Amino acid sequence: DIQMTQSPSSLSASVGDRVTITCRSSQNIKSYLNWYQQKPGKAPNLLIYAASSLQSGVPSRFGGSGSGTYFTLTISGLQPEDSATYYCQQSYSTPYSFGQGTKLEIK
Amino acid sequence: QVQLQESGPGLVKPSETLSLTCTVSGGSISSYYWSWIRQPPGKGLEWIGNIYHSGSTNYNLSLKSRVTISIDTSKKQFSLKLSSVTAADTAVYYCAETKYSGSYYWFDPWGQGTLVTVST
Repeated sequence: DIQMTQSPSSLSASVGDRVTITCRSSQNIKSYLNWYQQKPGKAPNLLIYAASSLQSGVPSRFGGSGSGTYFTLTISGLQPEDSATYYCQQSYSTPYSFGQGTKLEIK
Repeated sequence: QVQLQESGPGLVKPSETLSLTCTVSGGSISSYYWSWIRQPPGKGLEWIGNIYHSGSTNYNLSLKSRVTISIDTSKKQFSLKLSSVTAADTAVYYCAETKYSGSYYWFDPWGQGTLVTVST
């Protein structure tokens, strides 16, 4: 099975900041990487698919990059509503697996 | 716009079978795949398995011997059965549409989730 590791586990940033969350896979997953945002008590919401494709309706301040075993999610111009937990997920092979999550707090 | 809604008992006794149904509205169930994903309280996400409208399935091998996913296209529903449950199966269970483009797959949208507690 493919293991996904995110860092950091949590971070705190201010409105307007640029933040980057990293995700590493235990083997080469090419660009088969998705990112989700989850707010407390809610289901995850798709942000990015295929490593860098922005899901329709998602603000353009969210961006994804990477391939192989190293991926990043960048939020440029942080907004208060971006406070959430973010998960990466590989779709290279089943069982599809998620990172452990990165909790983002807005100062 | 596809919407999904999970339903089923919120409390299951240890050693019994957890049964959940996901109802699809606003779109066709005869497209894409349909997945079950769970999240223990305060923890991360675990993919359980998926099903195609044809009935073909893929399961997480860590649960495979206990999991059955089925689909009823006439009712626009798909279901999850997890047998011999223990407290470790306590989680919020989500259903999700598994879209694909070429060989790329992603989960969108998701149901709101339903908490299932395993306890006497």
